[in-house]
Amino acid sequence: GAGVSQSPSNKVTEKGKDVELRCDPISGHTALYWYRQSLGQGLEFLIYFQGNSAPDKSGLPSDRFSAERTGGSVSTLTIQRTQQEDSAVYLCASSITGTASSKYFGPGTRLTVT
Amino acid sequence: GENVEQHPSTLSVQEGDSAVIKCTYSDSASNYFPWYKQELGKGPQLIIDIRSNVGEKKDQRIAVTLNKTAKHFSLHITETQPEDSAVYFCAASRVSGAGSYQLTFGKGTKLSVIP
Repeated sequence: GAGVSQSPSNKVTEKGKDVELRCDPISGHTALYWYRQSLGQGLEFLIYFQGNSAPDKSGLPSDRFSAERTGGSVSTLTIQRTQQEDSAVYLCASSITGTASSKYFGPGTRLTVT
Repeated sequence: GENVEQHPSTLSVQEGDSAVIKCTYSDSASNYFPWYKQELGKGPQLIIDIRSNVGEKKDQRIAVTLNKTAKHFSLHITETQPEDSAVYFCAASRVSGAGSYQLTFGKGTKLSVIP
């Protein structure tokens, strides 16, 4: 079946601009996660959505970052007033439930802030 | 919070040889340990995972071992092939309770299989 999809695959933006990154999780998965992967680094947790519960935003690095999940499916990660240090690959993952069920990642969006 | 250390950061093996990647974790409450393979330009792919009620799990050429007492777990790849070349990440989390959904990742091991 279809996996997690993300768009765009690449995004180049100027410093100070806002960007929106989109994630379509696997159908039927109630849990959705955003991670950030900087060059040569591991994956950094950003935010977690589970069903209709309030999201866990504890990993968001600053108030310039926000995310929404509409209708329990598609999610959008928004970065306002982008900075060069925001350049990274942003990965979305989904799982059937929010506990330690297997998490499946999308291909990521490579964000470059110039 | 949880801290996961992964070694080595790079590993080169001859085709056909075995590769072993090791991880340690700090939170004794962690009991779910997945391994991901990430190829260039792609997202991480779950290749195997283990829960703390077992000490070893195998799937064809890959196996994971877990030592809860020592808080370390390892990935073993036998009969390596060039297509095994990728970056491998270990991770840890709790199965239930606070933060159970939040994976903590190691920094990755770049495996190169030399034909």
